[in-house]
Amino acid sequence: AQSVTQPDIHITVSEGASLELRCNYSYGATPYLFWYVQSPGQGLQLLLKYFSGDTLVQGIKGFEAEFKRSQSSFNLRKPSVHWSDAAEYFCAVGAGNAGNMLTFGGGTRLMVKP
Amino acid sequence: DGGITQSPKYLFRKEGQNVTLSCEQNLNHDAMYWYRQDPGQGLRLIYYSQIVNDFQKGDIAEGYSVSREKKESFPLTVTSAQKNPTAFYLCASSIGRQGIQPQHFGDGTRLSIL
Repeated sequence: AQSVTQPDIHITVSEGASLELRCNYSYGATPYLFWYVQSPGQGLQLLLKYFSGDTLVQGIKGFEAEFKRSQSSFNLRKPSVHWSDAAEYFCAVGAGNAGNMLTFGGGTRLMVKP
Repeated sequence: DGGITQSPKYLFRKEGQNVTLSCEQNLNHDAMYWYRQDPGQGLRLIYYSQIVNDFQKGDIAEGYSVSREKKESFPLTVTSAQKNPTAFYLCASSIGRQGIQPQHFGDGTRLSIL
């Protein structure tokens, strides 16, 4: 069965600084990978997804993520963080042998200092 | 605009009472899901349905029940057998065709015990 680990429960960055959120997955074949963002009391919004092809994927709100098969990672990055980026971020993996099921990581809460 | 509507936003349950959370989608998606979210634990799958009149248990189905009589609707009942129902409940849907597709989420229902 697939699994996802987000090693950082909380991260604090200064506004304007760069950001990298880590995501490691466990799955035997090529995974389908997603990053979602959740504002307090809200649902999850899809930031970006990787299915195949170019390993650097661009998403909404200026985010990007890079799939590294050798490291089983799919880290989320943003060059310059804005105060409105403060939220919880979830990495998820889908496996072709599990229907359309997604397995979510535990989330990383991002706080942005002024 | 198409989307997923969850209601109510807040719900209170008395001891021994069953409560039903509503989830409606107008995205014409075949697949629908219910997740439970607890602080620091990410999302856990309760039930999912790939097609009308069919549904399967997820990882934590005990104490919950669902129905899928219409494509647009996937209500979740939290029964009195669920001893710790206080959580944030998220409904999601996806296209459901073969292969992994992104899931789209509602804004959630927060359930508390009186």
